[in-house]
Amino acid sequence: DTAVSQTPKYLVTQMGNDKSIKCEQNLGHDTMYWYKQDSKKFLKIMFSYNNKELIINETVPNRFSPKSPDKAHLNLHINSLELGDSAVYFCASSQDLWGGNTIYFGEGSWLTVV
Amino acid sequence: KQEVTQIPAALSVPEGENLVLNCSFTDSAIYNLQWFRQDPGKGLTSLLLIQSSQREQTSGRLNASLDKSSGRSTLYIAASQPGDSATYLCATAAGYSTLTFGKGTMLLVSP
Repeated sequence: DTAVSQTPKYLVTQMGNDKSIKCEQNLGHDTMYWYKQDSKKFLKIMFSYNNKELIINETVPNRFSPKSPDKAHLNLHINSLELGDSAVYFCASSQDLWGGNTIYFGEGSWLTVV
Repeated sequence: KQEVTQIPAALSVPEGENLVLNCSFTDSAIYNLQWFRQDPGKGLTSLLLIQSSQREQTSGRLNASLDKSSGRSTLYIAASQPGDSATYLCATAAGYSTLTFGKGTMLLVSP
């Protein structure tokens, strides 16, 4: 039973399109995240949500809009896709907001913009 | 701003060797440090989490140490196996639980 699941796993789309990636966690965690892993394999935080509220937005372009309908879901919508958005996007969750908790990652969504 | 560095970037060893992966960080004000494993085309799997008050954690053949004052952590893998081949990432957590990652060490264990 997958703890953090995200869909789709692979997504190829044209520049200018709008796309969404969905994420769900069944761990009962309060906090969810989106991380981006670029072509150099460097993982970086994008957003952090706690109980459906945005806590951290790490200077991500406003073409990226996370939405949390409930604390088990955190979806990522991307408008007007650009070539530079090609990356692997990881959803993650932890028990709560503060340090000290193990963070659980989904298997990633490979986005390719052509 | 926290910076996490991992050395070496890649490592190739024969099966059975003991090995050490290194991680250093610039800001010692951390809540914890975590080691992850990433297999090609897969997500991250948490291996060990060391709280800032701890000095080491062990899980099976893995042992991770933390020296906050010097900004260093090591991951020791005993009796390496081909199945250990993966990229190993260390990450520090501070404040709102968000992780700052190193770029990883790509490990290849040959039979």
